[in-house]
Parts: sequence; C-alpha cells; structure tokens
Amino acid sequence: KNEVEQSPQNLTAQEGEFITINCSYSVGISALHWLQQHPGGGIVSLFMLSSGKKKHGRLIATINIQEKHSSLHITASHPRDSAVYICAVPRDSNYQLIWGAGTKLIIKP
Amino acid sequence: ETGVTQSPTHLIKTRGQQVTLRCSSQSGHNTVSWYQQALGQGPQFIFQYYREEENGRGNFPPRFSGLQFPNYSSELNVNALELDDSALYLCASSGRTNTGELFFGEGSRLTVL
Repeated sequence: KNEVEQSPQNLTAQEGEFITINCSYSVGISALHWLQQHPGGGIVSLFMLSSGKKKHGRLIATINIQEKHSSLHITASHPRDSAVYICAVPRDSNYQLIWGAGTKLIIKP
Repeated sequence: ETGVTQSPTHLIKTRGQQVTLRCSSQSGHNTVSWYQQALGQGPQFIFQYYREEENGRGNFPPRFSGLQFPNYSSELNVNALELDDSALYLCASSGRTNTGELFFGEGSRLTVL
C-alpha cells in the first residue's frame, strides 16, 4: 500500500462541473501540499495546509488530520484547469516529500 | 511566476557525459530541493540543500551531486550520464525545511542519447 494515495487517477468532466480529488496518507505529517503540473511543464504549488480549509479563487483544499485525508475541490471548472494534480506529504520529522501518483484532470468545453 | 528559475530548459547529452543544471531560488528562501521526474512518473527526491549544506538525500548514486551557493542558488551535477537519467529535473525552494510553502521552477528536461 502506497503511503500517499490519490483518487481518481483520471477524471474527465464538462466545463462548469464541480471537481473533487481525494488524497489519503498513512504517515504522520506536519503539512500536506497540493500541486498542479501542466503537460511538459513545471509544478505549481497550489496549497500547503496543516488543518482545516484553504480557498484560493475557484480552488478549495480541505484536510482532516484525524482521518488522514485531504480533498481538492474546483468549482466552476474550466478547460484551463486541465492538468495533473498531485498531493504530497513530508515524511514525519523528515524533509523528503512523498508524492501521490497524481490525478489527471481533463475539462472539456 | 514563482521566482524560481532553472537553466537550461532543455538539453541533450550523450551517454558518459557530464551535465550541470542550475536553479535560482525564490528570494529569501534558504532551502532548495531537487527532484527527478521520469516520463509518466511522479517526482523522485534527489537531495536537499539548506544554507549551503546537504540536508538529506534520496536513493540516488554518488554521481548525482549538488552544491548550494551563498545566495542560495543551487546546482545539480550528474556525472557519467546513463540513458535512464533522461528526465525532467525540478528544483523547489522553500523558506524552511519540511513545513514551508514550496516554489518550483519549470524544470530542465534532459535527454541522454
């Protein structure tokens, strides 16, 4: 079992739909990162959160430390949201990020 | 724009050659991490530098080495290149190890022929 698991692996939706991507982890963490990677491109950090909820524009990230689960939501999705979304957690008392396998999101116009 | 710049963006080398990749970190960030991302896979941690010292290393052989300068910019050096070294190399800067927000560069795509 992977230490960080994401679901779904692939997600195709129509423009305007509400999107949810889930991340479960089994290691103790101080913070969880949500990142976005466009095809062939670098990675953009979307959120770093250690509790509760954060919102940035149409993106919302939540985390439940007790349940070791986080979700990334996209409201009013748009084709430009198409990318791979990755959650990553640092190992307990370590610096090395453990990466989820990523969720490939395609938003159709 | 993250303020993290990597160079070169693309390069092609042949097996056995050496390569140096560069990363300038976000202003004020003293920690730089390097990752290797093979095509279709997730990033793999190579090593991290904190205030010019190596602060941890992933499962990579010694021919992968690094350096961090007083201005916190960093280099990744790979000697005796192998075909499997072909990948996107990403650097990420942060203000503090492990808990700070990360800023990634666009990556350097290395092709080894």
